[in-house]
Amino acid sequence: GDSVTQMEGPVTLSEEAFLTINCTYTATGYPSLFWYVQYPGEGLQLLLKATKADDKGSNKGFEATYRKETTSFHLEKGSVQVSDSAVYFCALSYSGDSSYKLIFGSGTRLLVRP
Amino acid sequence: KAGVTQTPRYLIKTRGQQVTLSCSPISGHRSVSWYQQTPGQGLQFLFEYFSETQRNKGNFPGRFSGRQFSNSRSEMNVSTLELGDSALYLCASSLQGAGNTEAFFGQGTRLTVV
Repeated sequence: GDSVTQMEGPVTLSEEAFLTINCTYTATGYPSLFWYVQYPGEGLQLLLKATKADDKGSNKGFEATYRKETTSFHLEKGSVQVSDSAVYFCALSYSGDSSYKLIFGSGTRLLVRP
Repeated sequence: KAGVTQTPRYLIKTRGQQVTLSCSPISGHRSVSWYQQTPGQGLQFLFEYFSETQRNKGNFPGRFSGRQFSNSRSEMNVSTLELGDSALYLCASSLQGAGNTEAFFGQGTRLTVV
């Protein structure tokens, strides 16, 4: 079945460091890919998405490119801030599919130190 | 516009009891889905409703049930609570269902079973 695998956390970085959080997926079809962020005590917020191969999603300085050949959707940010400390979830879903669900990775906690 | 509202935010219940959680979606959204979040299992899909019809159900025992009302508000019920049901329960609303349209999450209901 479909699944999403993320790198284990926590990831601890100093402010202004470069961030990469790895995400790979296994899919039977051609899913849309998402990154969600969860701040302490909150629900999930959509950070960015990509709907087809080679698409790049971007938002708030974060970027991720849909790589079909490596089945990956790694999250990157050039310069992290303390306020980026949160848990990041990679997810997939299918448009036009009758499952109507998101399949999530296990989440990666990011801690940014001043 | 108002976001997804989940009530209550926190609940403490005793083993064997039952509990009902509520979710009010964004106005105009007809799809409501539920997820269970635990440290061990991550985010797992429970079920999805659209216009009062359950369209998909995750791999959970029959103790977990839900329904959706004509105003799109949704409730989920867990009967005969077990310690392992302690989790953050997240509700997401979207126009037509995850994958087709963006899913917006509520802040969740933190259920503790003692």
